[in-house]
Amino acid sequence: TQLLEQSPQFLSIQEGENLTVYCNSSSVFSSLQWYRQEPGEGPVLLVTVVTGGEVKKLKRLTFQFGDARKDSSLHITAAQPGDTGLYLCAARFDGNNRLAFGKGNQVVVIP
Amino acid sequence: IAGITQAPTSQILAAGRRMTLRCTQDMRHNAMYWYRQDLGLGLRLIHYSNTAGTTGKGEVPDGYSVSRANTDDFPLTLASAVPSQTSVYFCARSARRDRGPYEQYFGPGTRLTVT
Repeated sequence: TQLLEQSPQFLSIQEGENLTVYCNSSSVFSSLQWYRQEPGEGPVLLVTVVTGGEVKKLKRLTFQFGDARKDSSLHITAAQPGDTGLYLCAARFDGNNRLAFGKGNQVVVIP
Repeated sequence: IAGITQAPTSQILAAGRRMTLRCTQDMRHNAMYWYRQDLGLGLRLIHYSNTAGTTGKGEVPDGYSVSRANTDDFPLTLASAVPSQTSVYFCARSARRDRGPYEQYFGPGTRLTVT
């Protein structure tokens, strides 16, 4: 059973459009992280959200943690080709410092 | 920024051979991890180490072993490689900022093909 479900698995949009991807679970998490991975590279941490309802912005990326701390969304405004990548959400489980990862949202921004 | 290196970058290995993937960090963080990433399966934890001298099994430990003789190095060994171990392997370290949640920082990965 996948602890974190990400949707959609794949999304292709035109440059300048907006998009939202989701990370959902039936479990409550103390914190949730988003990473971006580009081809041939390791995942790179983008943001950590901790408080239910928390919203964090990173330039054109907006991250939101659900009020019940079971889900999160990533919204990209006016997407650029440089936003292309695999977006991974991850959360701590079992009270230790290990992370469970979702399978990712593959985003392709077409110039 | 990641402060973590992996070697080799890629390797083609004959089935049955022994192979050690190297991972070194320069941040002296206690916790380190090994993942494999496969299409459709995502990142799966193989082994982890919370501190030097201790290791633990992750989600998919069979066929792999690790050691943590010191803080900086965390090698992953395949004793007798099989084709199903063809994958991209990532090493990561974990740190907390200002007593906040643990965050992981990944190396560049090793692409391993077992033939």
